[in-house]
Amino acid sequence: EAQVTQNPRYLITVTGKKLTVTCSQNMNHEYMSWYRQDPGLGLRQIYYSMNVEVTDKGDVPEGYKVSRKEKRNFPLILESPSPNQTSLYFCASSQWGPQETQYFGPGTRLLVL
Amino acid sequence: QQQVKQSPQSLIVQKGGISIINCAYENTAFDYFPWYQQFPGKGPALLIAIRPDVSEKKEGRFTISFNKSAKQFSLHIMDSQPGDSATYFCAASSNTGNQFYFGTGTSLTVIP
Repeated sequence: EAQVTQNPRYLITVTGKKLTVTCSQNMNHEYMSWYRQDPGLGLRQIYYSMNVEVTDKGDVPEGYKVSRKEKRNFPLILESPSPNQTSLYFCASSQWGPQETQYFGPGTRLLVL
Repeated sequence: QQQVKQSPQSLIVQKGGISIINCAYENTAFDYFPWYQQFPGKGPALLIAIRPDVSEKKEGRFTISFNKSAKQFSLHIMDSQPGDSATYFCAASSNTGNQFYFGTGTSLTVIP
C-alpha cells in the first residue's frame, strides 16, 4: 500500500530534550515536506526537500532541522524543543514537487512541557 | 504574513445546500491552486486543483472558480452532504519556487 508513515504519532516531552520525528514514504517520491498545523493558522511549511541531500527552508524553519540521506526518509529534528513548538506535525510527499498531489502522513501530535 | 487568505473560518450548511469557501492571494507568481480536505484525526488529502489558464474546474459536486484579475479563487460544494463535514484548506504555489502555502482553513459542518 502506497503511504507516508510517521513515528511517533503522539509525543510528550520537556523543554530542551532533543527529539526526532521520523517520516518515510514508499512511493519513490522526490519531493518531501514537513508542515505544522496550529489552530487559526492552518498548515505552515517548515522544511522541504527536492531530492536526496537537497533541503531548503519553508515558512517557519526556526528551531527545526531536517536531513535527507535516503529518498524514502525525511526526519524532522528538534534539537532543543520549546513550548511554542507544541503542535500537530505532518509529513508529505509528492512525485516531483509542490505542484503535484501531496500525500500526507497521519500526523504527529507533539506536546512540549 | 499569510500568503493565502481564506474565509470563512467556519461554515454551517443544510444538507443539499451549497457551501462556498473563498481564498485570496497577492503573489502573482502563484500558478497552482489546490484545495485539500481534512477529516478529524487524518492528514489532508487533495480534493481538486486548478491552474490559472482556466476560470473554472469541476469534479463531481466540487467546483473551483478562479478569478485571475481579482487574485481570488473559491471552492463550491453543490448538494452538500453530512459526509462533506471536514476542514477545507486552499493552497498556492509557484512553479518558480518550491514552497507551498496553505490558507488558514474552513471548518464545514453539514447539518442533516
